[in-house]
Amino acid sequence: DTEVTQTPKHLVMGMTNKKSLKCEQHMGHRAMYWYKQKAKKPPELMFVYSYEKLSINESVPSRFSPECPNSSLLNLHLHALQPEDSALYLCASSLSSSYNEQFFGPGTRLTVL
Amino acid sequence: ELKVEQNPLFLSMQEGKNYTIYCNYSTTSDRLYWYRQDPGKSLESLFVLLSNGAVKQEGRLMASLDTKARLSTLHITAAVHDLSATYFCAGDSGNTPLVFGKGTRLSVIA
Repeated sequence: DTEVTQTPKHLVMGMTNKKSLKCEQHMGHRAMYWYKQKAKKPPELMFVYSYEKLSINESVPSRFSPECPNSSLLNLHLHALQPEDSALYLCASSLSSSYNEQFFGPGTRLTVL
Repeated sequence: ELKVEQNPLFLSMQEGKNYTIYCNYSTTSDRLYWYRQDPGKSLESLFVLLSNGAVKQEGRLMASLDTKARLSTLHITAAVHDLSATYFCAGDSGNTPLVFGKGTRLSVIA
């Protein structure tokens, strides 16, 4: 299995909702990443997990809460989001955080109303 | 701090023509990566360049790395419409995360 999967593909939520994005990989990769991408911009790194521990948090607002339940799964919990948080959220994985060839999932298109 | 600059940011080219996208980076980068992104889709890894002088080719795309010049190039040969996409280069340094360039939006027209 050489892919990263993400669910859901699309998500529409109100500013008071709580939702979660899920990411899964079965490549034995030990680093997993969350990115946010706005239209016509490069991906912006949000979080890095290395060996299931949070190693980088790029000053992301607390309304985004990552979780890594095991080496194959990565979640992003969303609460009280703002309309400006609408974006494509990409999950990626790599062998380790020191080898950065990252494989990206298909993304979740998030719209906050 | 590593910075990555791509140019051009927009490229419209005719089918059958050749062109090069340039990626300059500011400090030592251990590795250089090229990704492709189709509209509304995710990023697909194209090339990983690990050392000075590295050259990799896949179909009509060829990537190279010159670490002394801090420059990577993505050369497109005899462009076809299917190559229309946004191409990102990215670098890393030590244990730092990937730093992406702004991307080059390529449009191949008949």
